Amino acid sequence: AQSVTQPDIHITVSEGASLELRCNYSYGATPYLFWYVQSPGQGLQLLLKYFSGDTLVQGIKGFEAEFKRSQSSFNLRKPSVHWSDAAEYFCAVLRAAGNKLTFGGGTRVLVKP
Amino acid sequence: DGGITQSPKYLFRKEGQNVTLSCEQNLNHDAMYWYRQDPGQGLRLIYYSQIVNDFQKGDIAEGYSVSREKKESFPLTVTSAQKNPTAFYLCASSIEGETDTQYFGPGTRLTVL
Repeated sequence: AQSVTQPDIHITVSEGASLELRCNYSYGATPYLFWYVQSPGQGLQLLLKYFSGDTLVQGIKGFEAEFKRSQSSFNLRKPSVHWSDAAEYFCAVLRAAGNKLTFGGGTRVLVKP
Repeated sequence: DGGITQSPKYLFRKEGQNVTLSCEQNLNHDAMYWYRQDPGQGLRLIYYSQIVNDFQKGDIAEGYSVSREKKESFPLTVTSAQKNPTAFYLCASSIEGETDTQYFGPGTRLTVL
């Protein structure tokens, strides 16, 4: 069965510093991968997605993610974080049958001034 | 503006009562989904519907029921059989039911007293 692991529950980063959030997946075939962001008490907003092609994917708000098949990873990065990036981030993989997503447990990002 | 609306944002119910959460979308999407989110956990799929008048159980359907009488609407009923109903509930939709990006509503926080 497909699974998604986000090893870091919390990450604290200073404003202006770089950010990398880890995501590892377990999936037999080429995965369809997503990163979503959730502000407190809000729904999820799609940051970016990988279906095929270029393994470096650009998203909204200055985020990017790199698909590495050999490491079963899809890590999210941002070169310079802003205070507004404080939120919870979820990695997800699309399951083989039907348009159903399996989510990781999420990583909460805190931004220090 | 097109989007997904969920109402109410906060809902309180006494134990043993059924409660229905509303989800409406005007995106003309065929597929709709209900997820449950608990602190420290990712989202878990309750029910999904790929087309009007049809729906399937997700991973944690016990104690929940849904209907899909209209394309725009996918209400979720939390029944008294759900043993731990207090959670944040998120509705999502996608253009079609296969390999497509899901877009999320703002969520409803249900508290059972």
